[in-house]
Amino acid sequence: DTGVSQNPRHKITKRGQNVTFRCDPISEHNRLYWYRQTLGQGPEFLTYFQNEAQLEKSRLLSDRFSAERPKGSFSTLEIQRTEQGDSAMYLCASSTRDRGTYEQYFGPGTRLTVT
Amino acid sequence: KQEVTQIPAALSVPEGENLVLNCSFTDSAIYNLQWFRQDPGKGLTSLLLIQSSQREQTSGRLNASLDKSSGRSTLYIAASQPGDSATYLCAARISYNQGGKLIFGQGTELSVKP
Repeated sequence: DTGVSQNPRHKITKRGQNVTFRCDPISEHNRLYWYRQTLGQGPEFLTYFQNEAQLEKSRLLSDRFSAERPKGSFSTLEIQRTEQGDSAMYLCASSTRDRGTYEQYFGPGTRLTVT
Repeated sequence: KQEVTQIPAALSVPEGENLVLNCSFTDSAIYNLQWFRQDPGKGLTSLLLIQSSQREQTSGRLNASLDKSSGRSTLYIAASQPGDSATYLCAARISYNQGGKLIFGQGTELSVKP
């Protein structure tokens, strides 16, 4: 299996611009998760999908954030009208019901810098 | 609401020393607990996963334990090496959200000096 991949790895944008990140999960993993991590903190949950259905969203996911997973394969996370507070590492993970553990496997992350 | 805490925030040890990293959680109704390693600027690498019915898991020089009644997990690293230097994160999955989110601690930054 190839691991979880994320693109781009780094993104620098100006305040007010829109950005979109992509995550490709491990093949046949039906669950996909997005987290956000700021410097010196642990990751915080944003949202997760089972196949194409978005099952849970954190209140951290303001109306400027939207996530999709068309056809239950890759996922995109879009941030509209970026703010400096959006600067963070955005991590994607995937899992499946392997031995009932739903162990999550993480990608390398996309580091967003809003100037 | 589940909260996960890791103490200390940073730890520096000489090479060869055995060490223990601590993780505590407020709600004992967890489904499982995962330990991760994170190198600077990188994603997370899963080290060990302990199911709620288990007491410990071992992988090489790593041993993780789980005590639900006291709300604690520990990660034991034997014979530490400079290559073990990284941030170690623990994360809990709550029982009634079995396939869902992980709740992370803030991590312990480990430095192993040659």
